[in-house]
Amino acid sequence: NAGVTQTPKFQVLKTGQSMTLQCAQDMNHNSMYWYRQDPGMGLRLIYYSASEGTTDKGEVPNGYNVSRLNKREFSLRLESAAPSQTSVYFCASSEARGAGELFFGEGSRLTVL
Amino acid sequence: LAKTTQPISMDSYEGQEVNITCSHNNIATNDYITWYQQFPSQGPRFIIQGYKTKVTNEVASLFIPADRKSSTLSLPRVSLSDTAVYYCLVGSGSARQLTFGSGTQLTVLP
Repeated sequence: NAGVTQTPKFQVLKTGQSMTLQCAQDMNHNSMYWYRQDPGMGLRLIYYSASEGTTDKGEVPNGYNVSRLNKREFSLRLESAAPSQTSVYFCASSEARGAGELFFGEGSRLTVL
Repeated sequence: LAKTTQPISMDSYEGQEVNITCSHNNIATNDYITWYQQFPSQGPRFIIQGYKTKVTNEVASLFIPADRKSSTLSLPRVSLSDTAVYYCLVGSGSARQLTFGSGTQLTVLP
């Protein structure tokens, strides 16, 4: 019963490098989300996907792109990493309608030097 | 979107009941109130959700007064393992509308 799985768990990048964070859920949820969490702060929404084939910007989308590959998978790409993108990234999923429960992954800690 | 206000931190002792209050003065008619718990190096975990009056599950109770401008998360007989950050969220329609504030750092002392 995996729930939401994120890879990698840790990554160190140099400024300007690119990388993709992968997320997969096995709960047949329609909606998926990417958040970032900085020290002492709550989670901020980067992008979300209400259903397969759709994506929309959240609160802090600049510098990121996403792909909803299929119903299970939602990836987050940093095309040219910057030190300001050093953060912990969380993927989550939920049912499409209502203020339902969000299920989170364990997080991916990214450091950009 | 309804904004929430919570205490930044709280301390308690093992075995005590802990009440964390969240203020949400501009809550909308359709909004639900949801609480999440986050341990270090983990993603947040759903605790409880309610609309009005009182909701209870196996880990917590949620008290919501008639005007719904605030809510109180009650954790009975806390243990050291309840040390975590607790987030109060208000919203409806879609989880994408939910905003995580800074939360309340609860520290349970022996």
